[in-house]
Amino acid sequence: EDQVTQSPEALRLQEGESSSLNCSYTVSGLRGLFWYRQDPGKGPEFLFTLYSAGEEKEKERLKATLTKKESFLHITAPKPEDSATYLCAVQAYDYKLSFGAGTTVTVRA
Amino acid sequence: DTAVSQTPKYLVTQMGNDKSIKCEQNLGHDTMYWYKQDSKKFLKIMFSYNNKELIINETVPNRFSPKSPDKAHLNLHINSLELGDSAVYFCASSPGLADTQYFGPGTRLTVL
Repeated sequence: EDQVTQSPEALRLQEGESSSLNCSYTVSGLRGLFWYRQDPGKGPEFLFTLYSAGEEKEKERLKATLTKKESFLHITAPKPEDSATYLCAVQAYDYKLSFGAGTTVTVRA
Repeated sequence: DTAVSQTPKYLVTQMGNDKSIKCEQNLGHDTMYWYKQDSKKFLKIMFSYNNKELIINETVPNRFSPKSPDKAHLNLHINSLELGDSAVYFCASSPGLADTQYFGPGTRLTVL
């Protein structure tokens, strides 16, 4: 069975304090790895898709990287508006998307 | 202009009742999904439809029945509601099965 484990569960940062979130996975054939952001009471919002080891994608203060066993979401100089739960998901060859439990990031001003 | 919309946003009902949640997408996508997010925040796939055809049907009780009247709509009907059905249900859509999924705002179902 496909498994996605995210760490840490929660992360409290001071504004400007860069950090990384980890997503480790086991999947029977990776079709793609997805990062989403979820704000309280809202649906997940798409951030990135990564398809192969070594791939990197950036958007504003966020950068996602992928290896054969894990992905990292780097948050550079975060701002309070970056506070959210970040979800990682892997899509296997059967097209099913398996989500991790998420990392809840709180950025204090 | 809402891309994926769900109604209602909140649903409070008694055990044993039957209820429906509606989902519509105006993105022109071929594939739609239902997910359940429990209190531990795990998102789990329930169903997937591609061009109105059921593609993914996870181990969900028979009390849950999806219906896709057309490519833009995927409704979820739940019979004989139980306490354990309380959760947030998300609809999503994607251009195709292998593509990025876009989620609706969710429907919080509370069964009393």
